[in-house]
Amino acid sequence: QSALTQPPSASGSLGQSVTISCTGTTSDIGAYDFVSWYQQHPGKAPKFVIFEVNKRPSGVPARFSGSKSGNTASLTISGLQTEDEADYYCLSYTGDNRIFGGGTKLTVL
Amino acid sequence: QVQLQESGPGLVKPSQTLSLTCTVSGDSVSGGDYFWNWIRQPPGKGLEWIGYISYSGNTQYNPSLKSRVSISLDTSKNQFSLQLSTVTAADTAVYYCVTEVPPATFVSWGQGTLVTVSS
Repeated sequence: QSALTQPPSASGSLGQSVTISCTGTTSDIGAYDFVSWYQQHPGKAPKFVIFEVNKRPSGVPARFSGSKSGNTASLTISGLQTEDEADYYCLSYTGDNRIFGGGTKLTVL
Repeated sequence: QVQLQESGPGLVKPSQTLSLTCTVSGDSVSGGDYFWNWIRQPPGKGLEWIGYISYSGNTQYNPSLKSRVSISLDTSKNQFSLQLSTVTAADTAVYYCVTEVPPATFVSWGQGTLVTVSS
């Protein structure tokens, strides 16, 4: 079971928008609406920012949004802030198991 | 808010068994609200799901680790534990215990504990 595919890096300017993709297969992302996204700052535990494709937990800013089309899920961060600079991981349900993406390092310019 | 704390040896010798415990506060491991997971992250690398145990004791493991992994519950101590056998240097990682709202939303994470496999 291979990891979901994410770009290793992404960047955006302060105040701009950035979208991070996460590509899977018909057995994971394409089969279930159970995709979540995690933000991880250096030396810290991850924190969930999106669940069930496009739902935001309380306390996460509305500028974080999620979507899915076919076998690809996406995380969009609009109005980039310096504190958004972090690693981001997607996760998909696969029926029995759970599978992470390889992670994307987001740089805010 | 559930709080989680990992504990266990920080150094394990190759071929031995890695054992970690997660102490839970703020909820009962037998309460039925969550699945109780272990996730790991090798230094400088990405996250890898190891497996979970449900409140009723049902388990599910990552197929790539299934032959070496066991997760158990101790309801009397409100803890759950990980055992990973026959470890190698590739098992060196930060190990996190994590609550899951099923399916597949990891809502609360422990701070993580680094386990190094070395002689």
